[in-house]
Amino acid sequence: SQQGEEDPQALSIQEGENATMNCSYKTSINNLQWYRQNSGRGLVHLILIRSNEREKHSGRLRVTLDTSKKSSSLLITASRAADTASYFCATDAHTGANSKLTFGKGITLSVRP
Amino acid sequence: DVKVTQSSRYLVKRTGEKVFLECVQDMDHENMFWYRQDPGLGLRLIYFSYDVKMKEKGDIPEGYSVSREKKERFSLILESASTNQTSMYLCASNLPGTGADTEAFFGQGTRLTVV
Repeated sequence: SQQGEEDPQALSIQEGENATMNCSYKTSINNLQWYRQNSGRGLVHLILIRSNEREKHSGRLRVTLDTSKKSSSLLITASRAADTASYFCATDAHTGANSKLTFGKGITLSVRP
Repeated sequence: DVKVTQSSRYLVKRTGEKVFLECVQDMDHENMFWYRQDPGLGLRLIYFSYDVKMKEKGDIPEGYSVSREKKERFSLILESASTNQTSMYLCASNLPGTGADTEAFFGQGTRLTVV
């Protein structure tokens, strides 16, 4: 079963604009992670936010987490054409002492030059 | 540079063949995972392993098995390949969840076509 559901499914913006992507999930989590995938390649980890954190920054990335609403958002500021990719949220749920990442269906981001 | 390496980028197999997909990681990670990725369905977990000789079923294990004889290697086996197993297969590894950030590292993917 898929835990994370991203929204929107596809996003098209102009270079320089900000891109906001959302993720909702169903059960309690240890952390939530965002990944990026270029066409036909593996996933690359972008940022992780723990369940006791509300906001985190990494370069042009800002992620927020609202555990009361079971939702997260990823903001990419000042987007570039090279940001064109698919983005996935992944939740690491409570499974005893170990990790089990469950991914959403992904968001396709297109940044027009 | 940390790495997860999958043995093939592209693979074409015939229906009924036994198919082995190999994955090797060099980060001494305990956890390893196999996902398949299909358009509109995202990544779905097939099998995972928390230690050598250990394996657990994910969400879609039917038609697959796995082997973990060494810590660094996790193999996905399609016992009798079928056309509905045509997909992108992704291997990943990470550290155990207790007291560690569980960032996953992915291989480059194997695009399997069953004809």
